[in-house]
Amino acid sequence: DTAVSQTPKYLVTQMGNDKSIKCEQNLGHDTMYWYKQDSKKFLKIMFSYNNKELIINETVPNRFSPKSPDKAHLNLHINSLELGDSAVYFCASSQGTVVTTIYFGEGSWLTVV
Amino acid sequence: LAKTTQPISMDSYEGQEVNITCSHNNIATNDYITWYQQFPSQGPRFIIQGYKTKVTNEVASLFIPADRKSSTLSLPRVSLSDTAVYYCLVVTNNQGGKLIFGQGTELSVKP
Repeated sequence: DTAVSQTPKYLVTQMGNDKSIKCEQNLGHDTMYWYKQDSKKFLKIMFSYNNKELIINETVPNRFSPKSPDKAHLNLHINSLELGDSAVYFCASSQGTVVTTIYFGEGSWLTVV
Repeated sequence: LAKTTQPISMDSYEGQEVNITCSHNNIATNDYITWYQQFPSQGPRFIIQGYKTKVTNEVASLFIPADRKSSTLSLPRVSLSDTAVYYCLVVTNNQGGKLIFGQGTELSVKP
């Protein structure tokens, strides 16, 4: 069983479209994250949610809107996609926020053309 | 937040021991040293974490000198499947899960 699963794994879409990436974790964790990895392999945090509440928002454009219907799910919706949004998006989770160990999903490869 | 410096890439052969050193000169008292591994097309995976001296688990060993300004990840007898990017992170428990990843070290294991 995959601990942190995200869909779709691959997504190719045109500029201006709106798309969503879904994430679910079955670890019973109460904190979930979205990280973005660019073409140079740098991995940066975008958002963090604890028990459905936003606790970290790293100056991400408001075209990106995370939604957490419950603590096991954290979806990422992106409006008006731009070429620069092409990247790998990783969902992750941890138990609590006072942690050093975070469990990552397999990633969602987004290509905007 | 302490910045880390590690080699961009390393080459090794199967069966060798690989040591990857990371510098973190401005590490704070509350910081832990954590290493993650990322295989191609996968998310990062926690390998090991330590505060000082030596930590060993089934995957690797982590050596931390007394001044804690550097650390060395040691992978015993690597195999082809250890080819991955290894990230050294300095993490403070109160960061709310905000991990700062550097460029990592791309380890290539050859037959």
